[in-house]
Amino acid sequence: GESVGLHLPTLSVQEGDNSIINCAYSNSASDYFIWYKQESGKGPQFIIDIRSNMDKRQGQRVTVLLNKTVKHLSLQIAATQPGDSAVYFCAESYNAGNMLTFGGGTRLMVKP
Amino acid sequence: EADIYQTPRYLVIGTGKKITLECSQTMGHDKMYWYQQDPGMELHLIHYSYGVNSTEKGDLSSESTVSRIRTEHFPLTLESARPSHTSQYLCASSPRSSYNSPLHFGNGTRLTVT
Repeated sequence: GESVGLHLPTLSVQEGDNSIINCAYSNSASDYFIWYKQESGKGPQFIIDIRSNMDKRQGQRVTVLLNKTVKHLSLQIAATQPGDSAVYFCAESYNAGNMLTFGGGTRLMVKP
Repeated sequence: EADIYQTPRYLVIGTGKKITLECSQTMGHDKMYWYQQDPGMELHLIHYSYGVNSTEKGDLSSESTVSRIRTEHFPLTLESARPSHTSQYLCASSPRSSYNSPLHFGNGTRLTVT
């Protein structure tokens, strides 16, 4: 079936640096994408989403970029903080109301 | 803070026991979901519901069952727990909408079957 995957299982960055977490998806029909953050012992927490009619969307310290040509999604975190340490998941769906498909997570570790 | 609540947070139980994992949400969401997740791994959908008296199986085969008698409540039951059921179970909800919208997750129940 269609799948969503992440390139790097672990990313280690210095506090204050920018972080980039990547995600590849294989379903060209996907039209909705989400990034979730999951801290230890907690459920996934919504960070930001983007629809396929956009290629960039910004939130507070986070930016999601969508490249439909190569089916690639990225999450950029500016001025990474220790509180950003978590596992990050991307998820995708196609057609309104369809189920989200999650990829494997990337663990972000922030060094002080 | 999450408006979706799961109990218990942790459960250790012996093989063969019947268990029910509770999930409640106070947001009035029509759609509710159960996902199974091994540590650090992706989430797998095992059950979902579009509203009262609606339940469907997800992509991942599961021996569990669910019910949806009230909008706010979506319990998951294992009739006879086995070690292979050891995992984290996450409940989520979302509003009924013609557009895709994010899921709101609870903090999960970590189940260990000995």
